[in-house]
Amino acid sequence: DSGVTQTPKHLITATGQRVTLRCSPRSGDLSVYWYQQSLDQGLQFLIQYYNGEERAKGNILERFSAQQFPDLHSELNLSSLELGDSALYFCASSVDGGGETQYFGPGTRLLVL
Amino acid sequence: AQSVAQPEDQVNVAEGNPLTVKCTYSVSGNPYLFWYVQYPNRGLQFLLKYITGDNLVKGSYGFEAEFNKSQTSFHLKKPSALVSDSALYFCAVDRYNTDKLIFGTGTRLQVFP
Repeated sequence: DSGVTQTPKHLITATGQRVTLRCSPRSGDLSVYWYQQSLDQGLQFLIQYYNGEERAKGNILERFSAQQFPDLHSELNLSSLELGDSALYFCASSVDGGGETQYFGPGTRLLVL
Repeated sequence: AQSVAQPEDQVNVAEGNPLTVKCTYSVSGNPYLFWYVQYPNRGLQFLLKYITGDNLVKGSYGFEAEFNKSQTSFHLKKPSALVSDSALYFCAVDRYNTDKLIFGTGTRLQVFP
């Protein structure tokens, strides 16, 4: 158990809908990262937040957004969902950054029908 | 250009034999290199990382990896494989200390009794 929690574990929704994925980092970790794992794209970095501020952005679609709250938990919002958004979404956390180890949560499996 | 390459989709090894899972990278400067393992329906678990120093890095569950700058490789090794080591292994690089982990495509390790 990495200490990173993600809810929900599974999510089934329809195209065009909006969902919110939630992540609680390990105690003491200030950085939160979101990754998408799909069969065709592999594991891709989406976005990083550090202590409430966006720090780095990867291949995140404009339909997707994230935020980190004062208690350091993070939410990833996915809107106007398409079939291709079906994937496993991971959250990871680290103490800071700069080469610090990222510890991953169990993931949220999203299925868009 | 891909930053991390895992040339083998699958590696098969008999229990008790040594195993090697290959990883090469193509980034400039001094990258931070990581290995993670993913068991079915689980998140990624951190195994080990190379930041600087000794080229041989020891990690969890008896795994180790050797950093070779001239060959730009970071192969994962274990002297004696266990059936329970069967999983999906990912090599990752943190380019330019940006905290954006770039993952390889993964190598499925199958250890046969």
